[in-house]
Amino acid sequence: EVQLVQSGAEVKKPGESLKISCKGSGYSFTSYWIGWVRQMPGKGLEWMGIIYPGDSDTRYSPSFQGQVTISADKSISTAYLQWSSLKASDTAMYYCARLEQLVPEYWGQGTLVTVSS
Amino acid sequence: SYELTQPPSVSVSPGQTARITCSGDALPKKYAYWYQQKSGQAPVLVIYEDSKRPSGIPERFSGSSSGTMATLTISGAQVEDEADYYCYSTDSSGNRGVFGGGTKLTVL
Repeated sequence: EVQLVQSGAEVKKPGESLKISCKGSGYSFTSYWIGWVRQMPGKGLEWMGIIYPGDSDTRYSPSFQGQVTISADKSISTAYLQWSSLKASDTAMYYCARLEQLVPEYWGQGTLVTVSS
Repeated sequence: SYELTQPPSVSVSPGQTARITCSGDALPKKYAYWYQQKSGQAPVLVIYEDSKRPSGIPERFSGSSSGTMATLTISGAQVEDEADYYCYSTDSSGNRGVFGGGTKLTVL
């Protein structure tokens, strides 16, 4: 059974750094793209970027380029989304998803990130 | 940047047919996909490649696409179908995904 399990909710202050994770199981982690999706409170889904764990090829939506870093450690079947300096506007639910030809097929349960002073 | 446009809301009575549209310039060449998101839950794929239904999705969900518009149809909508629905596709380069703004379906 394909599963994506994300790390738990985080509460951070503006300016702090953060790295959240997404662990895949039940399939060959290096053979499928993983994508990250943001959902701000009460708002829609936004495609942030993707990574191919097999070779770490990474692509970002223009809106998120330079704002976040996507990475993966294939030895532990885990993808990451990180910020070097959080802003209040980063408060959102973040989902990872396994992609089939760029289409989110299986989703993680989501990680709620709250940034507040 | 590429955009997919959906109506913000659609409302039907139980048993009626709900239709949610999604327009985008690349849809004549790219497939549309539809996700259902209930409150507090992760999205679930309900239609893929314009009109195919994943296993486990009720037959009342169907999809179609013509020109620059894709349509999700829920025939005989049920109260449990109340949710936000998002269309999804890729831009013309095929390198980037994009979601529509979402449509809140009310079945009341």
